[in-house]
Amino acid sequence: EVQLVESGGGLVQPGGSLRLSCAASGFTFSSYSMNWVRQAPGKGLEWVSYISSSSSTIYYADSVKGRFTISRDNAKNSLYLQMNSLRADDTAVYYCARGPSGVKSRFDPWGQGTLVTVSS
Amino acid sequence: DIVLTQSPGTLSLSPGESATLSCRASQSVSSSYLAWYQQNPGQAPRLLIYGASSRATGIPDRFSGSGSGTDFTLTISRLEPEDFAVYYCQQYGSSPQSFGQGTKLEIK
Repeated sequence: EVQLVESGGGLVQPGGSLRLSCAASGFTFSSYSMNWVRQAPGKGLEWVSYISSSSSTIYYADSVKGRFTISRDNAKNSLYLQMNSLRADDTAVYYCARGPSGVKSRFDPWGQGTLVTVSS
Repeated sequence: DIVLTQSPGTLSLSPGESATLSCRASQSVSSSYLAWYQQNPGQAPRLLIYGASSRATGIPDRFSGSGSGTDFTLTISRLEPEDFAVYYCQQYGSSPQSFGQGTKLEIK
């Protein structure tokens, strides 16, 4: 069974840092691009970042560019999101999602999400 | 950037009825790179439709997608109780990819 499990969320003060992880199983992780998508409480979905299967291509939403860093470790079947200089409007559930078709790809499947709360 | 506008914001229907959800793009969506997702409360989104009209694995044929260019539709026939959820469209043909604001399908 294809599975994605996020971890690392929690409460952090404005200006702080947090590192999210996404553990993949049930498929050949190194063959797929991956994404982070977030959802603020009661709001819609916002794409955050993309990384290709080999890490050669990376994209960020303008809202996080320069503050967030996406990475992956194919040997560990893991995806990461390093979040620095966090702001209140970064508060959201963060999902990792597989992209079956590279950069122009729908997201399937999604993990269950991890909640990040930025507050003093 | 492509902006997706979904309508209606909320749709109230009864089980057994059919639902028609709309997604309109501010620019043409290339090669019909348009997907639909279902999200139940407290759960992650689930892919329903991709390529505007292809059903994802395991999705019942009550769900169908259509459209091209700037106008896309998700149709759900014979509504089941588990279909009442929030639905999002996504375009993934142009960077940055984007989501619509969602349509809530509620029980009447």
